[in-house]
Amino acid sequence: GENVEQHPSTLSVQEGDSAVIKCTYSDSASNYFPWYKQELGKRPQLIIDIRSNVGEKKDQRIAVTLNKTAKHFSLHITETQPEDSAVYFCAPKGVSGGGNKLTFGTGTQLKVEL
Amino acid sequence: EAQVTQNPRYLITVTGKKLTVTCSQNMNHEYMSWYRQDPGLGLRQIYYSMNVEVTDKGDVPEGYKVSRKEKRNFPLILESPSPNQTSLYFCASSPDTRGELFFGEGSRLTVL
Repeated sequence: GENVEQHPSTLSVQEGDSAVIKCTYSDSASNYFPWYKQELGKRPQLIIDIRSNVGEKKDQRIAVTLNKTAKHFSLHITETQPEDSAVYFCAPKGVSGGGNKLTFGTGTQLKVEL
Repeated sequence: EAQVTQNPRYLITVTGKKLTVTCSQNMNHEYMSWYRQDPGLGLRQIYYSMNVEVTDKGDVPEGYKVSRKEKRNFPLILESPSPNQTSLYFCASSPDTRGELFFGEGSRLTVL
């Protein structure tokens, strides 16, 4: 299956600063790269995703960039706000093993301080 | 309203007492899956299903069973729960294997 590493595991920023979380994967044939946000006590929810034929995608203050050669993709949050405080997970979709198994990163706890 | 529904949301049980966590989705999704979430370990896939009567193991299937007799339902069965299965469980569905996952609200299970 896919080997997924996510860094950093915790990230503390001041309100208004930018935050970047990186996800590294092993399957070079991976073709779908989502980021999920999980607020405290809530379910994970998709916040942004990108497919392998695109290098960058932006949605207001969040963006995802993909480097297929280096096999990593990153979540960028600009002008962070307290409501961005949450755990963020990546879940690259590989094709090995039939492509139906899914491995999540271990998560990044983002804390936005006032 | 499109949703994934899990029950029960909270359960305290004892070692060895069989239990089932139900999961139902009303979006006609093909793909359904179960995850457990433990501190520091993120979300780990237990089982997944591509369609009715098609199920397969994820990364941590030991001690769990699933079935997919109907497209909308994907129950998780713990035949003989043990304390190491104490965890937060999420069911999720997706139109196919290459798209967004929609999660249920989670089921917090404690095995004493």
